[in-house]
Amino acid sequence: QVQLVQSGAEVKKPGASVKVSCKASGYTFTSYYMHWVRQAPGQGLEWMGIINPGGGSTIYAQKFQGRVTMTRDTSTSTVYMELSSLRSEDTAVYYCARRTGVAPDYWGQGTLVTVSS
Amino acid sequence: QSALTQPASVSGSPGQSITISCTGTSSDVGSYNLVSWYQQHPGKAPKFMIYEGTKRPSGVSNRFSGSKSGNTASLTISGLQAEDEADYYCCSYAGSSTLVFGGGTKLTVL
Repeated sequence: QVQLVQSGAEVKKPGASVKVSCKASGYTFTSYYMHWVRQAPGQGLEWMGIINPGGGSTIYAQKFQGRVTMTRDTSTSTVYMELSSLRSEDTAVYYCARRTGVAPDYWGQGTLVTVSS
Repeated sequence: QSALTQPASVSGSPGQSITISCTGTSSDVGSYNLVSWYQQHPGKAPKFMIYEGTKRPSGVSNRFSGSKSGNTASLTISGLQAEDEADYYCCSYAGSSTLVFGGGTKLTVL
């Protein structure tokens, strides 16, 4: 069965960077793009970008351009999302979600990133 | 890219039907039949409920249905049940591999 298992919660200081991992299993890793979506406390879902695990190409939401980097390691079927220059407004649960067609279908369990001094 | 517009809350009694709207623009909802819907219970990851506007993934109850007219997509839940109480989000393809989500709607089953 398809599973996306994300890394654990993180606490970071403003200005730091965070790197969240998402390990995929149960399907051919390189055949499905992966979205990253975040959700601030009590708020809605926000699309951050997408990575093609096959070739490594990425597309980022304009809001995060210059601050986000998505990468992948095909040897471990893992995608990564790194967000830099963190500020308090980046406190959120970050999700990876596999793309089917264009939509996210299977989601990871989420990773809480807290930005606090 | 602005978020799609959803009502903040809707409610209904068990057995009734409710509809949640999702209004976008001619650059997203209006241009593509690629709206998806998600159900999210507190503290949980979103669950995939509808894709390509009207299609249900395997395992999703046929009480959930989707439609679209112009720049507005809709999710209808018939035969409301207590376990349907959750937040619901729409999501539309917006071109160039990008997505935009709605602000979310809290469904209360009275």
